[in-house]
Amino acid sequence: DQQVKQNSPSLSVQEGRISILNCDYTNSMFDYFLWYKKYPAEGPTFLISISSIKDKNEDGRFTVFLNKSAKHLSLHIVPSQPGDSAVYFCAPSGAGNQFYFGTGTSLTVIP
Amino acid sequence: SAVISQKPSRDICQRGTSLTIQCQVDSQVTMMFWYRQQPGQSLTLIATANQGSEATYESGFVIDKFPISRPNLTFSTLTVSNMSPEDSSIYLCSVPLAGGPYNEQFFGPGTRLTVL
Repeated sequence: DQQVKQNSPSLSVQEGRISILNCDYTNSMFDYFLWYKKYPAEGPTFLISISSIKDKNEDGRFTVFLNKSAKHLSLHIVPSQPGDSAVYFCAPSGAGNQFYFGTGTSLTVIP
Repeated sequence: SAVISQKPSRDICQRGTSLTIQCQVDSQVTMMFWYRQQPGQSLTLIATANQGSEATYESGFVIDKFPISRPNLTFSTLTVSNMSPEDSSIYLCSVPLAGGPYNEQFFGPGTRLTVL
């Protein structure tokens, strides 16, 4: 039972354009949503988060949007840079420390 | 922030053997977590390692298969016992970010395990 889905396993974007990564979840008890970024041979690193009481959180080039009614969140990166090329995981969380990671989207930013 | 190291970074093991993975943190933390990422799959929490008490395992994971030690507040080990090819995964430890909002975690670099 996969509670978190990232339906695009890969995404290619031209440098300077917007990257949009999507994530859908099924558990309405999730109340905090995180995005992690992972480079090859490294552990995931925290990127940005959003609480369920908000619908948008912005941090520099990164903005996360949350649509609770649709159980959907998205990560926008603008402008995209080659250094953004990595695998991105969304990771909703409910009570406690249990994270439910999506399968990830591999982003390639083309110079 | 926290600096987390894992040993080994990768290993290739024979079926039926066991491998112990070490996780070292540069600061004292109450909780440490062990995750597994199977090929093409998401990260899955195996267990929470608590210092001074038994680890807490998630559904589908048992102590006999994944024994965990937590001898102090900066160190933990995860053993993958009686390995089979299905255990080929990346194993990661993580710790909560001190002072961060709600369960953000730092991850170690991971241990890539291949079982033949």
